[in-house]
Amino acid sequence: GNSVTQMEGPVTLSEEAFLTINCTYTATGYPSLFWYVQYPGEGLQLLLKATKADDKGSNKGFEATYRKETTSFHLEKGSVQVSDSAVYFCALSDRPSSASKIIFGSGTRLSIRP
Amino acid sequence: KAGVTQTPRYLIKTRGQQVTLSCSPISGHRSVSWYQQTPGQGLQFLFEYFSETQRNKGNFPGRFSGRQFSNSRSEMNVSTLELGDSALYLCASSLAGSGTYEQYFGPGTRLTVT
Repeated sequence: GNSVTQMEGPVTLSEEAFLTINCTYTATGYPSLFWYVQYPGEGLQLLLKATKADDKGSNKGFEATYRKETTSFHLEKGSVQVSDSAVYFCALSDRPSSASKIIFGSGTRLSIRP
Repeated sequence: KAGVTQTPRYLIKTRGQQVTLSCSPISGHRSVSWYQQTPGQGLQFLFEYFSETQRNKGNFPGRFSGRQFSNSRSEMNVSTLELGDSALYLCASSLAGSGTYEQYFGPGTRLTVT
Protein backbone atom coordinates (compact mmCIF):
# COMPACT_ATOMS: atom_id res chain seq x y z
CA GLY A 1 0.00 0.00 0.00
CA ASN A 2 0.90 3.65 -0.07
CA SER A 3 3.27 4.87 2.58
CA VAL A 4 5.52 7.73 3.63
CA THR A 5 8.91 7.38 5.27
CA GLN A 6 10.67 10.32 6.84
CA MET A 7 13.89 10.68 8.74
CA GLU A 8 13.92 9.85 12.41
CA GLY A 9 14.17 12.66 14.88
CA PRO A 10 14.83 14.51 16.92
CA VAL A 11 16.84 16.92 14.84
CA THR A 12 18.65 19.62 16.77
CA LEU A 13 20.22 22.58 15.00
CA SER A 14 21.61 25.96 15.88
CA GLU A 15 19.82 29.09 14.75
CA GLU A 16 20.62 30.09 11.14
CA ALA A 17 21.73 26.54 10.23
CA PHE A 18 20.58 24.84 7.04
CA LEU A 19 17.78 22.32 7.44
CA THR A 20 16.97 19.19 5.48
CA ILE A 21 14.34 16.68 6.52
CA ASN A 22 14.23 13.70 4.20
CA CYS A 23 10.98 12.19 3.01
CA THR A 24 10.35 9.38 0.56
CA TYR A 25 7.09 7.84 -0.48
CA THR A 26 5.57 4.76 -2.04
CA ALA A 27 2.43 5.23 -4.05
CA THR A 28 0.63 4.06 -7.12
CA GLY A 29 -0.40 6.72 -9.54
CA TYR A 30 0.36 10.36 -8.96
CA PRO A 31 -0.21 11.45 -5.39
CA SER A 32 -0.18 14.98 -4.09
CA LEU A 33 2.52 15.60 -1.49
CA PHE A 34 2.44 17.80 1.59
CA TRP A 35 4.44 18.98 4.54
CA TYR A 36 2.49 19.72 7.69
CA VAL A 37 3.85 21.31 10.86
CA GLN A 38 2.60 20.83 14.39
CA TYR A 39 3.57 23.31 17.10
CA PRO A 40 3.33 22.23 20.72
CA GLY A 41 -0.25 21.85 21.90
CA GLU A 42 -1.72 22.61 18.49
CA GLY A 43 -3.18 20.80 15.52
CA LEU A 44 -1.48 20.42 12.16
CA GLN A 45 -0.91 23.31 9.80
CA LEU A 46 -0.31 22.86 6.11
CA LEU A 47 3.18 24.19 5.42
CA LEU A 48 3.46 23.54 1.69
CA LYS A 49 2.26 21.24 -1.04
CA ALA A 50 3.09 19.95 -4.52
CA THR A 51 0.60 18.25 -6.79
CA LYS A 52 2.72 16.98 -9.68
CA ALA A 53 6.25 15.94 -10.55
CA ASP A 54 8.88 18.70 -10.48
CA ASP A 55 6.53 21.07 -8.66
CA LYS A 56 8.21 23.05 -5.90
CA GLY A 57 6.16 23.97 -2.87
CA SER A 58 7.36 26.87 -0.74
CA ASN A 59 6.20 28.82 2.27
CA LYS A 60 7.83 30.79 5.12
CA GLY A 61 11.31 30.06 3.73
CA PHE A 62 10.70 26.31 3.53
CA GLU A 63 10.87 24.50 0.20
CA ALA A 64 10.29 20.99 -1.11
CA THR A 65 10.41 19.63 -4.65
CA TYR A 66 8.31 16.71 -5.87
CA ARG A 67 10.85 14.25 -7.33
CA LYS A 68 9.07 11.39 -9.03
CA GLU A 69 12.27 9.71 -10.21
CA THR A 70 13.50 9.34 -6.61
CA THR A 71 10.03 9.30 -5.01
CA SER A 72 11.15 12.01 -2.63
CA PHE A 73 9.86 15.28 -1.21
CA HIS A 74 12.63 16.56 1.06
CA LEU A 75 11.98 19.65 3.17
CA GLU A 76 14.66 22.35 3.20
CA LYS A 77 15.21 25.75 4.75
CA GLY A 78 18.27 27.89 4.33
CA SER A 79 18.35 29.50 7.77
CA VAL A 80 16.25 28.16 10.62
CA GLN A 81 14.92 30.16 13.54
CA VAL A 82 14.01 29.20 17.08
CA SER A 83 10.37 29.67 16.13
CA ASP A 84 10.70 26.79 13.62
CA SER A 85 10.93 24.32 16.50
CA ALA A 86 8.03 21.92 15.94
CA VAL A 87 7.18 18.48 14.60
CA TYR A 88 7.14 18.18 10.81
CA PHE A 89 5.05 15.59 8.96
CA CYS A 90 5.47 14.54 5.38
CA ALA A 91 2.24 13.28 3.84
CA LEU A 92 0.56 12.19 0.65
CA SER A 93 -2.94 12.17 -0.67
CA ASP A 94 -3.55 9.21 -2.88
CA ARG A 95 -6.96 10.19 -4.20
CA PRO A 96 -6.56 12.98 -6.70
CA SER A 97 -10.27 13.39 -7.13
CA SER A 98 -10.84 14.14 -3.48
CA ALA A 99 -8.89 14.92 -0.38
CA SER A 100 -10.48 12.15 1.58
CA LYS A 101 -7.48 10.41 3.00
CA ILE A 102 -4.00 11.59 3.85
CA ILE A 103 -1.22 9.18 4.75
CA PHE A 104 1.31 10.66 7.13
CA GLY A 105 4.89 9.88 7.91
CA SER A 106 5.88 9.35 11.51
CA GLY A 107 6.94 12.94 12.05
CA THR A 108 10.32 14.56 12.72
CA ARG A 109 10.79 16.68 15.80
CA LEU A 110 12.95 19.73 15.13
CA SER A 111 14.58 21.73 17.93
CA ILE A 112 16.47 24.94 17.20
CA ARG A 113 19.00 26.26 19.71
CA PRO A 114 19.40 30.05 20.04
CA LYS B 1 -12.59 33.04 7.63
CA ALA B 2 -12.82 31.00 10.84
CA GLY B 3 -10.78 27.83 11.01
CA VAL B 4 -11.79 24.33 11.99
CA THR B 5 -13.09 24.20 15.53
CA GLN B 6 -13.25 21.18 17.80
CA THR B 7 -15.00 20.76 21.10
CA PRO B 8 -14.21 19.96 23.76
CA ARG B 9 -10.47 20.56 23.75
CA TYR B 10 -9.82 18.23 26.67
CA LEU B 11 -11.75 15.29 28.00
CA ILE B 12 -11.19 12.73 30.72
CA LYS B 13 -13.28 9.57 30.67
CA THR B 14 -13.32 6.26 32.45
CA ARG B 15 -12.79 2.91 30.76
CA GLY B 16 -16.09 1.51 29.50
CA GLN B 17 -17.75 4.90 29.02
CA GLN B 18 -18.56 6.45 25.70
CA VAL B 19 -17.60 9.84 24.33
CA THR B 20 -18.73 12.20 21.57
CA LEU B 21 -16.41 14.72 19.97
CA SER B 22 -17.54 17.55 17.74
CA CYS B 23 -15.99 19.26 14.74
CA SER B 24 -17.12 22.33 12.83
CA PRO B 25 -15.41 22.68 9.44
CA ILE B 26 -14.36 25.81 7.66
CA SER B 27 -17.34 27.52 6.09
CA GLY B 28 -17.96 26.06 2.65
CA HIS B 29 -16.00 22.89 3.26
CA ARG B 30 -18.09 19.78 2.77
CA SER B 31 -15.60 17.08 3.66
CA VAL B 32 -14.65 16.28 7.23
CA SER B 33 -12.02 13.70 8.13
CA TRP B 34 -11.00 12.39 11.53
CA TYR B 35 -7.56 11.25 12.64
CA GLN B 36 -6.19 9.71 15.79
CA GLN B 37 -2.74 10.77 16.93
CA THR B 38 -0.78 8.75 19.48
CA PRO B 39 2.93 8.65 20.30
CA GLY B 40 3.14 5.00 19.33
CA GLN B 41 1.05 4.86 16.16
CA GLY B 42 1.42 8.40 14.91
CA LEU B 43 -1.38 9.87 12.83
CA GLN B 44 -3.96 7.36 11.69
CA PHE B 45 -6.97 8.01 9.50
CA LEU B 46 -10.30 7.13 11.08
CA PHE B 47 -12.95 8.10 8.51
CA GLU B 48 -14.19 10.80 6.22
CA TYR B 49 -17.64 12.22 5.71
CA PHE B 50 -18.87 14.10 2.70
CA SER B 51 -22.42 15.34 2.25
CA GLU B 52 -23.57 13.41 5.32
CA THR B 53 -22.21 10.11 4.00
CA GLN B 54 -19.20 8.17 5.15
CA ARG B 55 -17.01 8.03 2.09
CA ASN B 56 -13.85 6.45 3.40
CA LYS B 57 -12.89 4.47 6.48
CA GLY B 58 -9.65 3.50 8.16
CA ASN B 59 -8.81 0.34 10.07
CA PHE B 60 -10.47 0.98 13.38
CA PRO B 61 -12.96 -1.20 15.27
CA GLY B 62 -16.68 -0.59 15.11
CA ARG B 63 -16.54 1.16 18.48
CA PHE B 64 -15.45 4.21 16.51
CA SER B 65 -18.25 5.81 14.57
CA GLY B 66 -19.18 9.17 13.20
CA ARG B 67 -21.76 11.19 11.43
CA GLN B 68 -22.12 14.43 9.56
CA PHE B 69 -24.99 16.86 9.64
CA SER B 70 -26.52 18.88 6.84
CA ASN B 71 -24.47 21.94 7.86
CA SER B 72 -21.29 19.80 7.45
CA ARG B 73 -20.58 19.70 11.17
CA SER B 74 -19.40 16.28 12.24
CA GLU B 75 -19.37 14.23 15.38
CA MET B 76 -17.25 11.26 16.30
CA ASN B 77 -18.32 8.72 18.88
CA VAL B 78 -16.26 6.14 20.69
CA SER B 79 -18.14 3.55 22.71
CA THR B 80 -16.84 1.26 25.43
CA LEU B 81 -13.66 3.25 25.88
CA GLU B 82 -10.37 1.47 26.38
CA LEU B 83 -7.14 2.80 27.86
CA GLY B 84 -5.58 2.62 24.39
CA ASP B 85 -8.11 5.12 23.08
CA SER B 86 -6.26 7.88 24.90
CA ALA B 87 -5.08 10.13 22.10
CA LEU B 88 -5.33 13.46 20.38
CA TYR B 89 -8.26 13.33 17.95
CA LEU B 90 -7.88 15.67 15.03
CA CYS B 91 -10.54 16.78 12.65
CA ALA B 92 -9.75 18.17 9.22
CA SER B 93 -11.92 19.79 6.60
CA SER B 94 -11.46 20.27 2.90
CA LEU B 95 -13.36 21.43 -0.12
CA ALA B 96 -12.95 17.94 -1.60
CA GLY B 97 -14.14 17.22 -5.06
CA SER B 98 -13.15 20.63 -6.33
CA GLY B 99 -9.62 19.64 -7.29
CA THR B 100 -7.99 20.94 -4.14
CA TYR B 101 -6.22 18.35 -2.07
CA GLU B 102 -5.17 19.93 1.17
CA GLN B 103 -6.90 19.45 4.46
CA TYR B 104 -7.15 22.04 7.21
CA PHE B 105 -6.86 20.77 10.73
CA GLY B 106 -8.47 21.81 13.96
CA PRO B 107 -6.57 22.05 17.26
CA GLY B 108 -7.73 18.60 18.33
CA THR B 109 -9.48 17.07 21.30
CA ARG B 110 -7.19 15.50 23.87
CA LEU B 111 -8.96 12.41 25.25
CA THR B 112 -7.61 10.70 28.33
CA VAL B 113 -9.12 7.38 29.37
CA THR B 114 -8.46 6.28 32.95
